[in-house]
Amino acid sequence: NAGVTQTPKFQVLKTGQSMTLQCAQDMNHEYMSWYRQDPGMGLRLIHYSVGAGITDQGEVPNGYNVSRSTTEDFPLRLLSAAPSQTSVYFCASRRLTTDTQYFGPGTRLTVL
Amino acid sequence: EDKVVQSPLSLVVHEGDTVTLNCSYEVTNFRSLLWYKQEKKAPTFLFMLTSSGIEKKSGRLSSILDKKELFSILNITATQTGDSAIYLCAALYGGATNKLIFGTGTLLAVQP
Repeated sequence: NAGVTQTPKFQVLKTGQSMTLQCAQDMNHEYMSWYRQDPGMGLRLIHYSVGAGITDQGEVPNGYNVSRSTTEDFPLRLLSAAPSQTSVYFCASRRLTTDTQYFGPGTRLTVL
Repeated sequence: EDKVVQSPLSLVVHEGDTVTLNCSYEVTNFRSLLWYKQEKKAPTFLFMLTSSGIEKKSGRLSSILDKKELFSILNITATQTGDSAIYLCAALYGGATNKLIFGTGTLLAVQP
């Protein structure tokens, strides 16, 4: 099992550009989520999904879109990047019946 | 407002010292409390606590939950330089939505 994978590892964008952060898991986990981590702020939940076709907002959803067309994939879209979205982004997954969440390696995003 | 608060924010100790990290939480429909260790990359799972008063132990690390007082502690005995990391506490809550909310973390530095 590859676990939770994320691409790219690093990305630099200009203000106003759009892009998609990819996340995939091969553990058949129903629950997938996206977090951003900023210094002194801990991990904050952006969006989450409890299964294919079902998504919901977390603490900081503005400026981000998600979709869940398959169990395996949960991409995060930045529609019009802003410097405030400079952060490290983590994708995570778990089974709905268990509480242990597994994290991907992260994507470091810089918006100029 | 649902929240998780960790203390101290940072801590510097010498090898061989014992440290205690604190985590308090206020969430709706609490389900479990999780501890993660984060070095330079993604958080890695340490413990999950669901019941009060039952200590979880793994080597030199141990943790306990008090559901009446709404807090948990993580103890590390005989610290080593490899214990240097950010320790994150998170509360799983929300019933069907099962959201995980993180504290800001405790940065532990163990000096030789």
